Amino acid sequence: QSALTQPASVSGSPGQSITISCTGTSSDVGGYNYVSWYQQHPGKAPKLMIYDVSNRPSGVSNRFSGSKSGNTASLTISGLQAEDEADYYCSSYTSSSTLFGTGTKVTVL
Amino acid sequence: EVQLVESGGVVVQPGGSLRLSCAASGFTFDDYAMHWVRQAPGKGLEWVSLISWDGGSTYYADSVKGRFTISRDNSKNSLYLQMNSLRAEDTALYYCAKAHYGYLGYWGQGTLVTVSS
Repeated sequence: QSALTQPASVSGSPGQSITISCTGTSSDVGGYNYVSWYQQHPGKAPKLMIYDVSNRPSGVSNRFSGSKSGNTASLTISGLQAEDEADYYCSSYTSSSTLFGTGTKVTVL
Repeated sequence: EVQLVESGGVVVQPGGSLRLSCAASGFTFDDYAMHWVRQAPGKGLEWVSLISWDGGSTYYADSVKGRFTISRDNSKNSLYLQMNSLRAEDTALYYCAKAHYGYLGYWGQGTLVTVSS
């Protein structure tokens, strides 16, 4: 039950696009189309941003998109805005547990 | 509106026990599995446990297996986490979350457990 690997930090200027990677194994990310992404602002509960690799819940901006290739999933934020500054976590279903990523701090310059 | 409200977090001594509760509303509770997830101060998210809609199946992270027990009372729309043999490394904010297949759709605001002498 090792955590999925994410970069510790990613930054970008307003209006730019950034991509956060999430690397696992064939037993988690690569084995299922059940990758999700969560946004967490300081002192707040996590919020679902992407589910089933690339689906957005109602109310989530279409600036957020997800994809997967092999054992690596990615979250792209386009048209970066100040409000996007937060921690982001990926997650993957497995046959016996749920794994979270190590987390990525997104900074808007 | 989905609401999940955790309670029961306190300061407890190492080796002690504690039961957390999560009160659910705004959805048909017994239609959904439920998770517990924790976050140590300044750290990332760690999945703790999952229980099926009827309580018939339970799953645990290796770090809590044998010490924690997840349960639910569908008649009370409530989820529980019995925590025994607590260690300093169990200190965290504990969230309950509504399970959808493959993801966690809604989260509570968390309850803080501190294990310290």
